[in-house]
Amino acid sequence: DVQLTQSPSFLSASVGDRVTITCRASRVIDNHLAWYQLKPGKAPTLLIYAISTLQSGVPLRFSGSGSGTEFTLTISSLQPEDFATYYCQQLGSYPLTFGGGTKVEIK
Amino acid sequence: EVQLVESGGGLVQPGGSLRLSCAASGFTFSDYYMDWVRQAPGKGLEWVARSRNKANSYSTAYAASVKDRFIISRDDSQNSLYLQMNSLNTDDTAVYHCVRLRVDARSIDHWGQGSLVTVSS
Repeated sequence: DVQLTQSPSFLSASVGDRVTITCRASRVIDNHLAWYQLKPGKAPTLLIYAISTLQSGVPLRFSGSGSGTEFTLTISSLQPEDFATYYCQQLGSYPLTFGGGTKVEIK
Repeated sequence: EVQLVESGGGLVQPGGSLRLSCAASGFTFSDYYMDWVRQAPGKGLEWVARSRNKANSYSTAYAASVKDRFIISRDDSQNSLYLQMNSLNTDDTAVYHCVRLRVDARSIDHWGQGSLVTVSS
């Protein structure tokens, strides 16, 4: 199985901060890497797919990058509505796996 | 507008069974792969099962933790996805989300709100 390790698992940041979340895979994966945002009581939403492609309607402050075994999600200027939990997912091999999540809270 | 609405969750005793349903609307259901993804209380996301589309013979795939206990199925005529869960144990307690994959299966692009399954005596 491909293990995905997200770091940090928790981060405290202020509005306007640049935030970077890392997702490391236990082996090289192709570009089937996606990022999701989860908020309590709401359905999760897709932010990024294929490592760096922004889903339609997602603000441009979100971006994804990486290759091989290391991938990042960056929020260029954190907004109040971005305080949430973020997960990476690999869809290249079975079983599909998720990272452990990164909770972004207000500093 | 794509909508995925789960139903069928509830409280069940260990060893029991439950069937979840997902009513889909707003898209051509038969064209898409559909998955179930769960989140246990206070835990992260876990992929559970996949139902491929008609073009891929409705083939299925399962996480090791549910293989031989859970069965994913679909009825394209009813735009519905199902998850038959048997031999439930406390580790299966979670919110179960019905999700749609992008046409290229490169990500989940729509999630349902989820249905809570609680396994407890």
